[in-house]
Amino acid sequence: AQKVTQAQTEISVVEKEDVTLDCVYETRDTTYYLFWYKQPPSGELVFLIRRNSFDEQNEISGRYSWNFQKSTSSFNFTITASQVVDSAVYFCALSNQGGKLIFGQGTELSVKP
Amino acid sequence: GAGVSQSPRYKVAKRGQDVALRCDPISGHVSLFWYQQALGQGPEFLTYFQNEAQLDKSGLPSDRFFAERPEGSVSTLKIQRTQQEDSAVYLCASSLVVDTQYFGPGTRLTVL
Repeated sequence: AQKVTQAQTEISVVEKEDVTLDCVYETRDTTYYLFWYKQPPSGELVFLIRRNSFDEQNEISGRYSWNFQKSTSSFNFTITASQVVDSAVYFCALSNQGGKLIFGQGTELSVKP
Repeated sequence: GAGVSQSPRYKVAKRGQDVALRCDPISGHVSLFWYQQALGQGPEFLTYFQNEAQLDKSGLPSDRFFAERPEGSVSTLKIQRTQQEDSAVYLCASSLVVDTQYFGPGTRLTVL
């Protein structure tokens, strides 16, 4: 069975702090995709990143970076120098080759000024 | 171009009423997905279409839930005889065949 676990329910930081959101996944598939989505208070899920199971290179996009480690089945997300606008619920998700997404429970990030 | 759109954005129904939720996917997107998101939870898969074919409906919680996509574009999720436990946000997403899913704003359904 496929499963995604985001153990951190809520995180609160002060602006400019770095913060890491954890994601651990379970799957028996050898080919799969991992995603991060952001859900701001407006409610719409915003796509952030997609990685396939064969590409373990870490990725950086501005203040965002992702650390994919197959050995520990983890796909963690770090925000550097957090800003108030980063406050949202962040979801990690797993799919096999374009099928349905299996989401974690989400981590609510609160960045205080 | 336009993203995924959903209507209505909010729907209040009395218990026992039927409701219909509409999703307009991104033009050219072959795949369309419906998810249900309860308050404080992650979205949960309901059903999946590739063009007009419903390839997976394993997530539909009961036979009161029905989805269709007759012409391979717009999709409708219908819930018959709504119950209070159906209250949730219903999210629609579309994608190319094997690609990232892009989500609409959702329809918040409240059953009184």
